[in-house]
Amino acid sequence: DTAVSQTPKYLVTQMGNDKSIKCEQNLGHDTMYWYKQDSKKFLKIMFSYNNKELIINETVPNRFSPKSPDKAHLNLHINSLELGDSAVYFCASSPYDSRAKNIQYFGAGTRLSVL
Amino acid sequence: QKEVEQDPGPLSVPEGAIVSLNCTYSNSAFQYFMWYRQYSRKGPELLMYTYSSGNKEDGRFTAQVDKSSKYISLFIRDSQPSDSATYLCAMRQGNAGNMLTFGGGTRLMVKP
Repeated sequence: DTAVSQTPKYLVTQMGNDKSIKCEQNLGHDTMYWYKQDSKKFLKIMFSYNNKELIINETVPNRFSPKSPDKAHLNLHINSLELGDSAVYFCASSPYDSRAKNIQYFGAGTRLSVL
Repeated sequence: QKEVEQDPGPLSVPEGAIVSLNCTYSNSAFQYFMWYRQYSRKGPELLMYTYSSGNKEDGRFTAQVDKSSKYISLFIRDSQPSDSATYLCAMRQGNAGNMLTFGGGTRLMVKP
């Protein structure tokens, strides 16, 4: 029973296309995240949502738009895909509590290749 | 210069060796320090968590934090081939928001 699940696992598309990645967590967490991991394994936060509300929005092009229909789901829509968007995108979730261990549970990742 | 620096490796050791993985950081506001393990084509999973300076041990793993030097370490005793993975350090400030800043990861290979 997967805790954080992302679909699709692989996404190959042409430059200029629009695509979406879906994420769902069944852990009852309030906070969800999107990270981008580049070819050098550097993992960088993109967005964070707490209970459907955006709380972190790092310097990300506005072609990237997160959408949280409820606190168990955080989808990522990308418009006008560019070559530099090729990376692995990870969804994660955690409890929202500054005293908590901040254990973030990650999905298996979506490998996006833009041709 | 990145906020968190980590030697990318790869680090290759024989089975049974003691492994030392390290990160340095520049932001003195970081208070929570974590190590994540990431197997190939999988998501990162939390391995160790430490608050402020000190040591923490969990089985074969020991995490150390030296805030005065802005330096954290993860030691793995009696390393096993199953420890072969990329190890990512991560840290965050004490305020809410739970934003983690990751190092670039060190790839470890333990050879039988």
